[in-house]
Amino acid sequence: DARVTQTPRHKVTEMGQEVTMRCQPILGHNTVFWYRQTMMQGLELLAYFRNRAPLDDSGMPKDRFSAEMPDATLATLKIQPSEPRDSAVYFCASGLTRTQEGVYNEQFFGPGTRLTVL
Amino acid sequence: GQQLNQSPQSMFIQEGEDVSMNCTSSSIFNTWLWYKQDPGEGPVLLIALYKAGELTSNGRLTAQFGITRKDSFLNISASIPSDVGIYFCAGRVPNQAGTALIFGKGTTLSVSS
Repeated sequence: DARVTQTPRHKVTEMGQEVTMRCQPILGHNTVFWYRQTMMQGLELLAYFRNRAPLDDSGMPKDRFSAEMPDATLATLKIQPSEPRDSAVYFCASGLTRTQEGVYNEQFFGPGTRLTVL
Repeated sequence: GQQLNQSPQSMFIQEGEDVSMNCTSSSIFNTWLWYKQDPGEGPVLLIALYKAGELTSNGRLTAQFGITRKDSFLNISASIPSDVGIYFCAGRVPNQAGTALIFGKGTTLSVSS
């Protein structure tokens, strides 16, 4: 059955190391979202893409975070260098969106990557 | 910016009881969504609402899109242990580029049998 996949599911790293998280959206979906979830802040939107083009990354710390979609089947979120405050669960979600306020196929979430930065 | 206030923050109920939770926003939304998150998993979409006044059911779950377009509620009838989890509301602001959602902080539901 169609679902969003994310790798790795868990990552423990040391401060200063580079972290790369990967997401495979549901086949046919054209919109991909990256969220970060913490106990204090809840679900925060970091960035999202439509048709592989970045639409909004204002929720992302620009100096250390970067998000890309090398192709329609892969989205990546990279943190370099990582810091302890980056510890959180990172979710990818995908959806099918039509422009001009058209029909939305709502967001389907992956299982998340639990990141711990020591 | 837009804010979503979701209440209650947590609920502790007995199996078989009905549950009600709600969200209010500072802005008008054209979409209200309700998600459930189980431990260690991503949120799963339960109900989507697209019209003011719309009332939609999904099994024992019922959600409504408020007439003012600034609120929504979710009811769960005859709760069972597997209803345990975190329930999130989410909304979409009309006429904004893209389709980003604004999420509430969640309602944590505990059900004792």
